[in-house]
Amino acid sequence: NAGVMQNPRHLVRRRGQEARLRCSPMKGHSHVYWYRQLPEEGLKFMVYLQKENIIDESGMPKERFSAEFPKEGPSILRIQQVVRGDSAAYFCASSPGYGGSSGNTIYFGEGSWLTVV
Amino acid sequence: AQSVTQLGSHVSVSEGALVLLRCNYSSSVPPYLFWYVQYPNQGLQLLLKYTSAATLVKGINGFEAEFKKSETSFHLTKPSAHMSDAAEYFCAVRRGNNRLAFGKGNQVVVIP
Repeated sequence: NAGVMQNPRHLVRRRGQEARLRCSPMKGHSHVYWYRQLPEEGLKFMVYLQKENIIDESGMPKERFSAEFPKEGPSILRIQQVVRGDSAAYFCASSPGYGGSSGNTIYFGEGSWLTVV
Repeated sequence: AQSVTQLGSHVSVSEGALVLLRCNYSSSVPPYLFWYVQYPNQGLQLLLKYTSAATLVKGINGFEAEFKKSETSFHLTKPSAHMSDAAEYFCAVRRGNNRLAFGKGNQVVVIP
């Protein structure tokens, strides 16, 4: 049973280019989350999606960042016109659902490391 | 809003000694708490979780954590450190919409 799959693992972009990060959730998981880990900081929540729906984007920067989770295919985190401050590790996570007394466990992918030069 | 605090960004422990990583939470409702481990350039791996069942939670790799409501704590321990335990450890609490709020992490260094 494959885990959360992210690609690319490493991505280098020049300032002003676009970065696209892809995430395939674990089999049977319908909920996807994106987190960002900046140097010397912990992980920060960005966005929570279900198929074709954005449930919570309270952690997304207001500009240049967008996310989707289409009916078919992986979830995409898109960063337009990247700047040096976007250099970070971006982690995707998935869970089977939400809520419940057991507290749905969230499983993380290996991460995508974005470097903006 | 629910949050967690981890003190001491770097923790050094001798091989074979007790590993103790502290996590205190702030929550107005019974919390769901988690410990994750991150090895260099890798993703987060779940060590253990507390979901209001047993207060002493056993996880992988010999780690365990005890939920203490009176102290609002969920400290992580391992009786005997191994070189392979060198990694970064994050405490997290579940917020609404299944978001996780993470502490700043503890970088564990194991001294031979």
